[in-house]
Amino acid sequence: DGGITQSPKYLFRKEGQNVTLSCEQNLNHDAMYWYRQDPGQGLRLIYYSQIVNDFQKGDIAEGYSVSREKKESFPLTVTSAQKNPTAFYLCASTMTSASSYNEQFFGPGTRLTVL
Amino acid sequence: KQEVTQIPAALSVPEGENLVLNCSFTDSAIYNLQWFRQDPGKGLTSLLLIQSSQREQTSGRLNASLDKSSGRSTLYIAASQPGDSATYLCAVSNSNTGKLIFGQGTTLQVKP
Repeated sequence: DGGITQSPKYLFRKEGQNVTLSCEQNLNHDAMYWYRQDPGQGLRLIYYSQIVNDFQKGDIAEGYSVSREKKESFPLTVTSAQKNPTAFYLCASTMTSASSYNEQFFGPGTRLTVL
Repeated sequence: KQEVTQIPAALSVPEGENLVLNCSFTDSAIYNLQWFRQDPGKGLTSLLLIQSSQREQTSGRLNASLDKSSGRSTLYIAASQPGDSATYLCAVSNSNTGKLIFGQGTTLQVKP
C-alpha cells in the first residue's frame, strides 16, 4: 500500500526544545517537501529536497532544519530558534522527470503545539 | 513574485447545485496547476493536475480549466453532494523545482 506517512500525528513541545517530525514515502519519488499551514494563511514552503543528500530552503526556513540521507525519508527538525512553531506541518513528494515535475502527493500531517 | 488568490473564501450551496471555484495567479509562466481537497484536520488530496500546455482536465464530476494568458483557473463541480464539503486549494508551480505556491482556499459547504 503506497503512500506518505507522517509521525507523530500530534506533538507537544516545551519552550526551548527541539523536536523532529518524521516523513516517509514508499512511492519511489525523488523530490520531497515540507510545508507549514496556519489558519487563514494557506500553505508555505519550509524546505525541499530534489535528490538524496541535497536540500534547499523554502520561503520560511528560519528555525527549521532537515536532512535527506535516504530517498524515502525527509525528517524536519523544529528548533528552539523557531519563534512561533505551533502549526500543522505537511510533507509532500513527487516524481520528477528530466524536464518537469508531476503530481504532488501529501501525507496526513503533524499538528505541533507549543506548551 | 507569484501570488495565488482564491475567491470566495467560503461558499454554501444546496445539494445538487453545479458550482465553480475560482483561482487566479499573477505570473502566467507556470509549469503546472494543481487542485487539492482538504478535510478538517487532514492532509491534502490531489484532485486534478493541469500541465501548462493543457486547457482542462476532468475526473468524474470535477472539471478544471486553465487560462494562462488571463492567469485564471476554475474548478467546476457538477451535481454537488454533502460529501463534497471540504476546503479546496489551488496551487501553481512556476519552476522546475516542483515548489508549489498555494492560494488560501475556498471552504465549501453543501447542504442536504
